[in-house]
Amino acid sequence: SQQGEEDPQALSIQEGENATMNCSYKTSINNLQWYRQNSGRGLVHLILIRSNEREKHSGRLRVTLDTSKKSSSLLITASRAADTASYFCATGRDTDKLIFGTGTRLQVFP
Amino acid sequence: GAVVSQHPSWVICKSGTSVKIECRSLDFQATTMFWYRQFPKQSLMLMATSNEGSKATYEQGVEKDKFLINHASLTLSTLTVTSAHPEDSSFYICSARPKAERGYTFGSGTRLTVV
Repeated sequence: SQQGEEDPQALSIQEGENATMNCSYKTSINNLQWYRQNSGRGLVHLILIRSNEREKHSGRLRVTLDTSKKSSSLLITASRAADTASYFCATGRDTDKLIFGTGTRLQVFP
Repeated sequence: GAVVSQHPSWVICKSGTSVKIECRSLDFQATTMFWYRQFPKQSLMLMATSNEGSKATYEQGVEKDKFLINHASLTLSTLTVTSAHPEDSSFYICSARPKAERGYTFGSGTRLTVV
């Protein structure tokens, strides 16, 4: 089952610009995670934010979480061509199961 | 860091045959592993939760007799696609969680093509 939706589905920007992706989910969560996937490859964990946290930073990444709106955003600042990938949010609840959103395909042009 | 190794990375098989995919945690023990399927340009859909020493838990709509999961040790889970058909062609990915409250580690995936 799919937990949530991400928007936009696709995003194209120039190097140096910021990229913002949004994720909405449906049920209560313990945490929300963001992953990156290069084409045809496995996923790489980027960042985890707990349900009692509102914002978290990791390098050029900034994640926000609004549990009242059941939404999260991922901001990549000063994007690079190497950031081109698909980005997925995933939610965790009481069990260890991770349920993924629909994903955003990011293209960064040099 | 935690590594999950998945093999094979790609496989082509004939309709009606079975294919086994392995998922190993290399530097940590995983009592639970997860199997996902991903169709082109789509998200990951959880198929089942693999539990060491017990039966797997399948998601709704996933045929347990078709997708056999075995988790015989703390570092190895296998997914066997039995009597494969072309519609089973997909990208299969496993994952495990090295520590609580941390992100999950994913295998590199297996591209299955059934001809």
